[in-house]
Amino acid sequence: AQSVTQLGSHVSVSEGALVLLRCNYSSSVPPYLFWYVQYPNQGLQLLLKYTSAATLVKGINGFEAEFKKSETSFHLTKPSAHMSDAAEYFCAVTPYSGGGADGLTFGKGTHLIIQP
Amino acid sequence: DTGVSQDPRHKITKRGQNVTFRCDPISEHNRLYWYRQTLGQGPEFLTYFQNEAQLEKSRLLSDRFSAERPKGSFSTLEIQRTEQGDSAMYLCASSLAAGEFTQYFGPGTRLTVL
Repeated sequence: AQSVTQLGSHVSVSEGALVLLRCNYSSSVPPYLFWYVQYPNQGLQLLLKYTSAATLVKGINGFEAEFKKSETSFHLTKPSAHMSDAAEYFCAVTPYSGGGADGLTFGKGTHLIIQP
Repeated sequence: DTGVSQDPRHKITKRGQNVTFRCDPISEHNRLYWYRQTLGQGPEFLTYFQNEAQLEKSRLLSDRFSAERPKGSFSTLEIQRTEQGDSAMYLCASSLAAGEFTQYFGPGTRLTVL
């Protein structure tokens, strides 16, 4: 069984400030981990994924995330927020044993607000 | 590569009616997934196919829900005797079964049951 907890349903940062979105997972088997972004009335777009190759993963739009097994975390960061980063962000997990191609278990999401 | 498409984008129906949604995956993808997303929540996995075979179904997929992928290409999701609790965004995604397994999502079908 797997689950994902995203701390903070809403996060507000100033433009140019550091973005930190938190994700903790629970999985009885080694996981693959993902961050997706969703803009209003659109589907989900993959930001980055952890597939056990490297613990620090770089994604699109300047985002990166670090897998910390000891903390069961996969927090998403971006050094400098841009107004266009305002969106809903979802962390997701799927078991490694499924080759990464099983159904995803998502967190409830974090709404990122960028203050001018 | 035209991406994952879903039709219709919006559907309004009355309680008790049947509805059917269609998903066209990226052409070379052999896995196809259905998710449901309610307001303020993350997507919840419903079911997935590898080619035409339905490999896994969530317990969220009640008897009123049925999904098909008859020729291993497009898929349909039917909801019979809709209830107000079925109101949600229904998302489709596709991926390759092995290797590059990233799930690519369509824009979704928003269902409103009156």
